[in-house]
Amino acid sequence: TAGITQAPTSQILAAGRSMTLRCTQDMRHNAMYWYRQDLGLGLRLIHYSNTAGTTGKGEVPDGYSVSRANTDDFPLTLASAVPSQTSVYFCASSTGTSGEDTQYFGPGTRLTVL
Amino acid sequence: GQNIDQPTEMTATEGAIVQINCTYQTSGFNGLFWYQQHAGEAPTFLSYNVLDGLEEKGRFSSFLSRSKGYSYLLLKELQMKDSASYLCAVRDDNYQLIWGAGTKLIIKP
Repeated sequence: TAGITQAPTSQILAAGRSMTLRCTQDMRHNAMYWYRQDLGLGLRLIHYSNTAGTTGKGEVPDGYSVSRANTDDFPLTLASAVPSQTSVYFCASSTGTSGEDTQYFGPGTRLTVL
Repeated sequence: GQNIDQPTEMTATEGAIVQINCTYQTSGFNGLFWYQQHAGEAPTFLSYNVLDGLEEKGRFSSFLSRSKGYSYLLLKELQMKDSASYLCAVRDDNYQLIWGAGTKLIIKP
């Protein structure tokens, strides 16, 4: 089972360009999440989706957008990249039910904005 | 504001025991998680505590005291492969995870 896949693995992007980070899960999880991880800081939630067709803003949503057209896919788009968006981006998913609802992470995308 | 505190770095010896502490102040509490993250890799789930007390899973144990806003992860019989960062996260009233910055654990032979 693949679990969660992300693409690309890494990318160098010129400031002002747009880019979509892809995330796909095959666990039929209802909930999906996008985080960024920066040195010295904890994971910070960008956007989330509790179920297909719905999305919500996390702690740091500015400059990012998401969509959830189906259960499996949760792409993250940077409309006009800025250097402060240089980070490692992790997608995660969970069943979305009450109780433990553990989040499982994809391998990450390392993005550099110059 | 919401805050999760962990030591930035710890060093321990192979075969020994190490305790990694986590204190939290969050808007509500709906469980505490510990994850392991090797350098350049994704976080992987280790443990979940929602009630006070100790949860044991092989060489790893996690403890929670909700009244003190405190948890620890105990690693026994340390192996070189345990060198990693350990992340503490609390689920708040909005049902979102609030993450600590992580504790980098260095294991020496």
